[in-house]
Amino acid sequence: EIVLTQSPGTLSLSPGERATLSCRASQSLSGSYLAWYQQNLGQAPRLLIYGASSRATGVPDRFSGSGSGTDFTLTISRLEPEDFAVYYCQQYVTSPRTFGQGTKVEIK
Amino acid sequence: QVHLVQSGAEVKKPGASVKVSCKASGYTFTGQYMHWVRQAPGQGLEWMGWIRPSNGDTNYSQRFQGRVTMTRDTSISTAYMELSRLRSDDTAMYYCARDYRELPQDFWGQGTLVTVSS
Repeated sequence: EIVLTQSPGTLSLSPGERATLSCRASQSLSGSYLAWYQQNLGQAPRLLIYGASSRATGVPDRFSGSGSGTDFTLTISRLEPEDFAVYYCQQYVTSPRTFGQGTKVEIK
Repeated sequence: QVHLVQSGAEVKKPGASVKVSCKASGYTFTGQYMHWVRQAPGQGLEWMGWIRPSNGDTNYSQRFQGRVTMTRDTSISTAYMELSRLRSDDTAMYYCARDYRELPQDFWGQGTLVTVSS
């Protein structure tokens, strides 16, 4: 199975700052079948990015995804109060569809 | 408007089974794969498998092979996930989530908390 490793585990930033989250795959993801999800406390995950760089419907353009092969990045250009949450990457190129362990973005 | 509405919380004893339902509305149920994902308290997300509602095909994570069964009833646009031989470490929130064309798991149910305790 493909293992996804996210870093850092926790990111402490202030509103308005830029957040850069990393996701590394144990093998190359052909077709860039990599998604990012946001999860707020007590809520279901929300799809943000699919295909490594395409924003899902309704996702603000301050969220952007990039990368290919084994290295992927989620960038939040200017953090808004509602962006402080946990973020997960997931590969969906092969079964099982594995998730990374998550990065928590917290208020500094 | 898409909705995935899951059944209510369950408390089960070790060794028992639980069956969680996920009722879909607002789209063609048979047109999209349905996935099940779980999350233990304070932990990350774990993918369990999918069902193709149009024909009932399933694909389970090896981790749950032999204990999980995913089914559907197309007449009421509902998917089910049954987990047997429950253990305490199966205590988790269980989510259904659909794919939509090239979008993976773009819509999620509200979650069903399953607690396994003697």
